[in-house]
Amino acid sequence: IQLTQSPSLLSASVGDRVTLSCKGSQNINNYLAWYQQKLGEAPKLLIYNTNSLQTGIPSRFSGSGSGTDYTLTISSLQPEDVATYFCYQYNNGWTFGGGTKLELK
Amino acid sequence: VQLVESGGDLVQPGRSLKLSCAASGFTFSDYNMAWVRQAPTKGLEWVASISYGGSTTHYGDSVKGRFTISRDNAKSTLYLQMDSLRSEDTATYYCARPGATYYYGWFAYWGQGTLVTVSS
Repeated sequence: IQLTQSPSLLSASVGDRVTLSCKGSQNINNYLAWYQQKLGEAPKLLIYNTNSLQTGIPSRFSGSGSGTDYTLTISSLQPEDVATYFCYQYNNGWTFGGGTKLELK
Repeated sequence: VQLVESGGDLVQPGRSLKLSCAASGFTFSDYNMAWVRQAPTKGLEWVASISYGGSTTHYGDSVKGRFTISRDNAKSTLYLQMDSLRSEDTATYYCARPGATYYYGWFAYWGQGTLVTVSS
């Protein structure tokens, strides 16, 4: 299964509601996770099984979707959210999306 | 939970290298484990996974036949033997643990990574 993330680069302001998209080439059956990776760091799990928030992750992060289309939403962007975000499917094999780089406007 | 990778180095094309990942803070033998890599300035690529007992392994197409994942549950250590290395194998290699026991799914914990550079 191939994952396509859009946009590849997103500029937003502090306080904005931000939506990142991840589209699969086949049905993912909700077996989708989201990771945040800051420069020079290992990826950090944010969301698993489409909409389950990992322990310790702020509630401004949420996930949704079904079938082939999934979304990560940040309800109110904070400066510390500047990072690259990757989606990841584990329904059929294991693949990552190409990433969305989120920067401050 | 702590995962500490080691073994990354500069190596010539065609040569071999073995990575290790020392795990602590959880019952290693209860978890499937995986290696994920990231080429410089690129995205993440799943490399290989191994079952909790070590009897079942899975590989990405780009490394199949060249890399071997293994584990020593007595030492709580995961390994990646990399043979016939190519320039495109240059990457930071992460050890990763799923979020649930006996399950391949999502990776909840990652090591800090070890850098492998393949160049003459």
